[in-house]
Formats: sequence, C-alpha cells, structure tokens
Amino acid sequence: DGGITQSPKYLFRKEGQNVTLSCEQNLNHDAMYWYRQDPGQGLRLIYYSQIVNDFQKGDIAEGYSVSREKKESFPLTVTSAQKNPTAFYLCASTSTRVGGYTFGSGTRLTVV
Amino acid sequence: SQELEQSPQSLIVQEGKNLTINCTSSKTLYGLYWYKQKYGEGLIFLMMLQKGGEEKSHEKITAKLDEKKQQSSLHITASQPSHAGIYLCGGGDAGGTSYGKLTFGQGTILTVHP
Repeated sequence: DGGITQSPKYLFRKEGQNVTLSCEQNLNHDAMYWYRQDPGQGLRLIYYSQIVNDFQKGDIAEGYSVSREKKESFPLTVTSAQKNPTAFYLCASTSTRVGGYTFGSGTRLTVV
Repeated sequence: SQELEQSPQSLIVQEGKNLTINCTSSKTLYGLYWYKQKYGEGLIFLMMLQKGGEEKSHEKITAKLDEKKQQSSLHITASQPSHAGIYLCGGGDAGGTSYGKLTFGQGTILTVHP
C-alpha cells in the first residue's frame, strides 16, 4: 500500500548533537512538507519542497535543514542551533492530482 | 501570513450529543482541510472543501465552508467515544496548479464520555 513512512518513531538527542529524521513516500507525490507540533498547539511549517533539488523555508526554519535529492525522500536535520527541539515532527506530501495532504505517523524527538 | 483560529480549544460532551467545531481564517482559503489526530499519531484526513458554500458529509460528520471561503465548521451528530481526538483545520494559500502551503489552526481537543 502507498503511504508515508517516518522513522524513527522516537528519537533522543543529546545537547549539541545534530539528528536526522527520515521521511519516505511511495505515493509519487511531487510536494513534501515538514511540520512541528508542540503540546496544545497546531502544526507549524518548518520547510517544504515542491520539486526535487528545491525547497523553501516555512515559518520556523531556523535551526533546521533539509534536502530533496530524490522525489521519494525529504529528510529533516535538527541542528544544534535549534534551541528547543523537543517536539513531535510530522512529514506530509501532496500532489495536485490528488488534492489532499497525506501525513506520516510522526517522530517524537526528545532532548536529554 | 495566513492565520487560522479554531474554537473551542477543547470540548467535552456526553455520548449521543451533537457538537460543532469552528475554523476562521484571516484570508480567503484555497482549500480547507479537516483532519483528526489521536495523541502522538499522524493526521487522518477527513474532508476537503474548496468552493464557497460547499458542504460535505461522511458518516456522522458534516463540514461546511462559507460563501466567502473564510469560515468553516465541522459538525458531529450523535457523538460516540470513537470520535474523541484532536480535530485540526488546515487552509491552503494557493490556487491553480501550485501546491502551496497548508497552515493549521491550533486544534480542538474533543472528549466524549460514554
């Protein structure tokens, strides 16, 4: 079945470390997105990519980086510059042929 | 930038009661999406509305988009414990062939007591 796979489900990071969250989709969607969700809040857009080898900053891009070398993959790196990285991270994809946005099951990142 | 506000922020109802969640946008919406989320999980797509005045229903859930495409409501009839979760509205900021960005409201936490 087609879908979006995020890994790992849980991730622990030490202070000063970079960590990379994986997002893979087999839906043949062109656009992919990364969102951050904090308790009691909605989703905030970190980065998005509408085509391979191109991506744009969202509302809270500082301290994060992404790459889009393949259509299927959109990894997110949380760098040491991100001051408060503990959150739930969600990846999504869409295609104008579909119209909706499909979400992965999320990665919960905790700084220890 | 576009902002979406949901109300109420939380809702507790008795099983069998009807309820409504509202979503208001600061700008005209190019597509309004309703999602449901269980805590710690991904978002499950419920419905998408695009045209002013549009209304869609699925099982006991009905979503409407006003004529100006700035307000939407989600109505649940005869609520059940399975309806419990977080409901999020998302608004698209681009029409035509652009994928655009999806901006979300802060979510409404629904609790249904048996």
